[in-house]
Amino acid sequence: KAGVTQTPRYLIKTRGQQVTLSCSPISGHRSVSWYQQTPGQGLQFLFEYFSETQRNKGNFPGRFSGRQFSNSRSEMNVSTLELGDSALYLCASSTGGFGDTQYFGPGTRLTVL
Amino acid sequence: SQKIEQNSEALNIQEGKTATLTCNYTNYSPAYLQWYRQDPGRGPVFLLLIRENEKEKRKERLKVTFDTTLKQSLFHITASQPADSATYLCALEIGDKIIFGKGTRLHILP
Repeated sequence: KAGVTQTPRYLIKTRGQQVTLSCSPISGHRSVSWYQQTPGQGLQFLFEYFSETQRNKGNFPGRFSGRQFSNSRSEMNVSTLELGDSALYLCASSTGGFGDTQYFGPGTRLTVL
Repeated sequence: SQKIEQNSEALNIQEGKTATLTCNYTNYSPAYLQWYRQDPGRGPVFLLLIRENEKEKRKERLKVTFDTTLKQSLFHITASQPADSATYLCALEIGDKIIFGKGTRLHILP
């Protein structure tokens, strides 16, 4: 079974730009969660999508948004990029059940200049 | 607010010894707790899940304990090997979200 894939793997943007990251979950998984990882803050929960609906949301500003398609693929968008948005963005897929294991992708390394 | 603390930023252990990592939390009673391993440049990989009514869970050389009174989980790697060097993250279920600690970097010295 293919794992979680994320594209692109690396991205360099400048302040004020916007960016879209993509995540393809494991086949059959209906839940996709997004996380931001930085050395100072660790792994922080952004949001979770399940069957095309946002099911949970973390404490990030509205510049961070996402969506999920009918094939469970998900995209995350960050508008008006700030230097502090530089991070590793990870997505994780699961079947969506309580206590279910999350399978992480390799991440997208975003650098904002 | 909910706080998850992992015992130190880096832990050096001699090969063959048991490595013990700590995860403490406050202000919540999670239904379960998970441990993940993360290697540099990669996403976390799930290792073990322990539920609130379980005291201990084992998988090969790994052992996890969960003390809901102390609000603490201990993660043990016995007969440690250099290949066990990585960052280990604990994660708690909090209100249908999975919240991660910042992780402990473990170095197994040959």
